[in-house]
Amino acid sequence: GAGVSQTPSNKVTEKGKYVELRCDPISGHTALYWYRQSLGQGPEFLIYFQGTGAADDSGLPNDRFFAVRPEGSVSTLKIQRTERGDSAVYLCASSPVGGETGEQYFGPGTRLTVT
Amino acid sequence: AQTVTQSQPEMSVQEAETVTLSCTYDTSENNYYLFWYKQPPSRQMILVIRQEAYKQQNATENRFSVNFQKAAKSFSLKISDSQLGDTAMYFCAFPRRGGADGLTFGKGTHLIIQP
Repeated sequence: GAGVSQTPSNKVTEKGKYVELRCDPISGHTALYWYRQSLGQGPEFLIYFQGTGAADDSGLPNDRFFAVRPEGSVSTLKIQRTERGDSAVYLCASSPVGGETGEQYFGPGTRLTVT
Repeated sequence: AQTVTQSQPEMSVQEAETVTLSCTYDTSENNYYLFWYKQPPSRQMILVIRQEAYKQQNATENRFSVNFQKAAKSFSLKISDSQLGDTAMYFCAFPRRGGADGLTFGKGTHLIIQP
């Protein structure tokens, strides 16, 4: 079946602009995660959805970052007033109901470059 | 807080050799899972192997195996008969809160397989 997809693959934007990054999880997966991966680092947790609600958004760095998942499937990560420090690869992952094993399926990521 | 440490930023071996990547972690949980993920240049994170902490037997997946030492909080990955396609970043990961609430990753080891 189809895996996790993310669009766009690459996004270049100017400092101060607003961007939206989209994630389509695996069909039927209720848990969805966003991570940010800076150059030379491992992914860092941003936010976790269980269904439509954000179960844990403690990883969001500040109030410029916001994510939604209105119908419990597709999710959008929104970044306002982008800064050069926001440049990174943004990874999305999903897992089945419960996800007790912690196993997650990742998308290919969106590389965001803020100039 | 959970922490994951990978002390080898980069490793290089010849094709067909065996290589071991190290990982240590810190947790107060008793039952948990540990993961090794592979990230090739395509950026797609791929699950390599998973270990359940309550199982004493080390997990094995074809050429990949782990050496899990729970008391020492050590979780190393052994790759036997290494292949050129094994060249990638490898990340050790641990559930943030022992369950479904996202993963904490190490900084990664860049593994290079030389022909």
